[in-house]
Amino acid sequence: GAGVSQSPSNKVTEKGKDVELRCDPISGHTALYWYRQSLGQGLEFLIYFQGNSAPDKSGLPSDRFSAERTGGSVSTLTIQRTQQEDSAVYLCASSPSAGTRGFYEQYFGPGTRLTVT
Amino acid sequence: GENVEQHPSTLSVQEGDSAVIKCTYSDSASNYFPWYKQELGKRPQLIIDIRSNVGEKKDQRIAVTLNKTAKHFSLHITETQPEDSAVYFCAASTVWGGGADGLTFGKGTHLIIQP
Repeated sequence: GAGVSQSPSNKVTEKGKDVELRCDPISGHTALYWYRQSLGQGLEFLIYFQGNSAPDKSGLPSDRFSAERTGGSVSTLTIQRTQQEDSAVYLCASSPSAGTRGFYEQYFGPGTRLTVT
Repeated sequence: GENVEQHPSTLSVQEGDSAVIKCTYSDSASNYFPWYKQELGKRPQLIIDIRSNVGEKKDQRIAVTLNKTAKHFSLHITETQPEDSAVYFCAASTVWGGGADGLTFGKGTHLIIQP
């Protein structure tokens, strides 16, 4: 079936502008995670959703970052007043419903490459 | 919070030899340890994982071992092939009946298979 999809695949923006990144999880997956991968670095956890609620926002780097999820499906990550250090690949992952087999396995999307000039 | 250390950062082995990548974690509450493979320009893909209630898991040429007491876990790849060349990430998380925390990743190991 269809995997996790993200849009746009690439985004170039000017410093100070706001950007919205979108994630479409695998159909039926209730958990959704956002990560950031800077050039040559590992993956940094940002936030996760269980359904529409976000029990853990501890990884958001600053108050310029926010995320929402509606209808238990699509999620958007918004970065306000972008800075050059926000340049990275933003990856989304989803997991099946809690209690189902392998519910903790995370399936990643292709990512959005954000470049702030 | 959790901290995951991964070594080595680069590993070069001859085709057919074995490769071992090691990780340590700091939070004793972590109970789920996946390994991801990421080829250049691609998304991370889960290759194997282990829960804290077992000490070893094997899947064909890939195996993972976990030592809860020492808080370290390792990835073993035997009979390496050119297609094993990639960056490998270890990770740790806490899983409970209602869900799973976000993954804390190591910095990655660039595995190079020499022909």
